[in-house]
Amino acid sequence: GEDVEQSLFLSVREGDSSVINCTYTDSSSTYLYWYKQEPGAGLQLLTYIFSNMDMKQDQRLTVLLNKKDKHLSLRIADTQTGDSAIYFCAERGLYSSASKIIFGSGTRLSIRP
Amino acid sequence: EAGVAQSPRYKIIEKRQSVAFWCNPISGHATLYWYQQILGQGPKLLIQFQNNGVVDDSQLPKDRFSAERLKGVDSTLKIQPAKLEDSAVYLCASSLAVLETQYFGPGTRLLVL
Repeated sequence: GEDVEQSLFLSVREGDSSVINCTYTDSSSTYLYWYKQEPGAGLQLLTYIFSNMDMKQDQRLTVLLNKKDKHLSLRIADTQTGDSAIYFCAERGLYSSASKIIFGSGTRLSIRP
Repeated sequence: EAGVAQSPRYKIIEKRQSVAFWCNPISGHATLYWYQQILGQGPKLLIQFQNNGVVDDSQLPKDRFSAERLKGVDSTLKIQPAKLEDSAVYLCASSLAVLETQYFGPGTRLLVL
C-alpha cells in the first residue's frame, strides 16, 4: 500500500532555514501536502503542490518536489520560535479510494535560541 | 467563520467501557472525516462521509467502532467496547467537497486504562 516516510526530529537555530524531508511510494500521487500541528491542536494545512510542479514558494515556505525520486521537502526560511511544531507530509493518490490522504508520522521541529 | 468543533476535548475511560465523540463541521461543508492519531504517528482515516452517506469506512474497526452523520451535519463516533490500543487523539475534519482542503478540529484525546 501507499506509504509516506519522514525523519522524526529536526533541531535548528532561530533565524536559520529548516528543511524537512519526506519520501512517498505512491507513483500516482496527484497532490502532496504539508500540514503543521501545534501542541493540543488539530492539523493546519500549510501548503500543497500538484504533482506536475517541481517547486512552489509561499512567503517563507518553499516546497520542492522530485517526482522521479518521490521526494518532497519543505524549507522554512528565517525559522522563528513560532515555527516549533510537528510537520506532516501527506499525499493523495490518483487511485486511492475516495481521495484518501495518507500522512507520514510527522517531523518534530524544535528551535534553538 | 467558525472552525470544526469537537467535544469532549479529553476523555479517560476503562477498557470495555463505551465512549462517544461529537463533531460539528464548518457550515456548508458536505464532506466529513474522522481520523485516529496514535501518539507518534500521523492521522489515519477511519471514515469519510459525503453529506449523510458513507464514502469510505475501509479502515474502521466495525466490530467496535461506529459512526453516523444524521441529517448530513453533525457526526458522532462511538467505540464500544474500548480497548487499550484505542488510546489516541480522534480528529474530525471537514471540507466543502471531496477534493477540497480539509479543515481539522482540535481533536478529542482518549485514554483507555
